[in-house]
Amino acid sequence: DTGVSQDPRHKITKRGQNVTFRCDPISEHNRLYWYRQTLGQGPEFLTYFQNEAQLEKSRLLSDRFSAERPKGSFSTLEIQRTEQGDSAMYLCASSLVSGENEKLFFGSGTQLSVL
Amino acid sequence: RKEVEQDPGPFNVPEGATVAFNCTYSNSASQSFFWYRQDCRKEPKLLMSVYSSGNEDGRFTAQLNRASQYISLLIRDSKLSDSATYLCVVRFTGGGNKLTFGTGTQLKVEL
Repeated sequence: DTGVSQDPRHKITKRGQNVTFRCDPISEHNRLYWYRQTLGQGPEFLTYFQNEAQLEKSRLLSDRFSAERPKGSFSTLEIQRTEQGDSAMYLCASSLVSGENEKLFFGSGTQLSVL
Repeated sequence: RKEVEQDPGPFNVPEGATVAFNCTYSNSASQSFFWYRQDCRKEPKLLMSVYSSGNEDGRFTAQLNRASQYISLLIRDSKLSDSATYLCVVRFTGGGNKLTFGTGTQLKVEL
C-alpha cells in the first residue's frame, strides 16, 4: 500500500497521560499536514511541514501539542497531559505541491479517546 | 464568523434528483478552492478543484462567485453512491498554505 499510513488506528488513554501518533506520508510528497476532526465538524488545521521544516502551526494549538518531521519523511504528533477535550480523530495528509494545485491525500486517521 | 461556512444538512434527495450545495467564505483575498468528499468513518478525498470559470466533471459542476464569496457544487442525476459529506475547502492568500475546511454538508440519496 503506497498511501498515507497512520499508527495507531485507535488510542484510548487516561486523562493526564502523554500520547504519540505516527504518520508515514506518500514517499515523494514534500508537504505533510496534521488535522483534527470531531463528529459533525470538518477537519481543523493543526500544523504542516514542508520537508522537515514546520512552516505553520494553528493558534488554537496549545503548548501540549508538538509535531516533528525529523528527516522530512515520517512525522509524529505528541500530545502531553491529555484532556478529555483532546478526544478526536487525528488526520494526517500529504501532498506534492505543483503551482496552486495541491491534492491532499489523507490517511485513515488515529481515533483518540481520553477517559 | 467561521472562515468557511456550509449548511450541514442533511439533504435527503431521491435517486436521480439534482442537488446543489453552497459554501461561503469570509476572506475576499482567497486563492484556491476545492470540494472534498468524505464517506462515513473514512478520510476525506479530493472530489474536484474549483476554477474561476467554473468546471464540470461528469455529473458534478463546480462554480465560483468571487464577488459574493461563495462556491457551489451541483450534482445531477444523483446516485445512491453519492451519499456522503461534501466538504468545501479554501486556501486563503496570506493565510500560509493551509487548506481550511468547512463543516461539510451531508447528502443522503434515497431510493
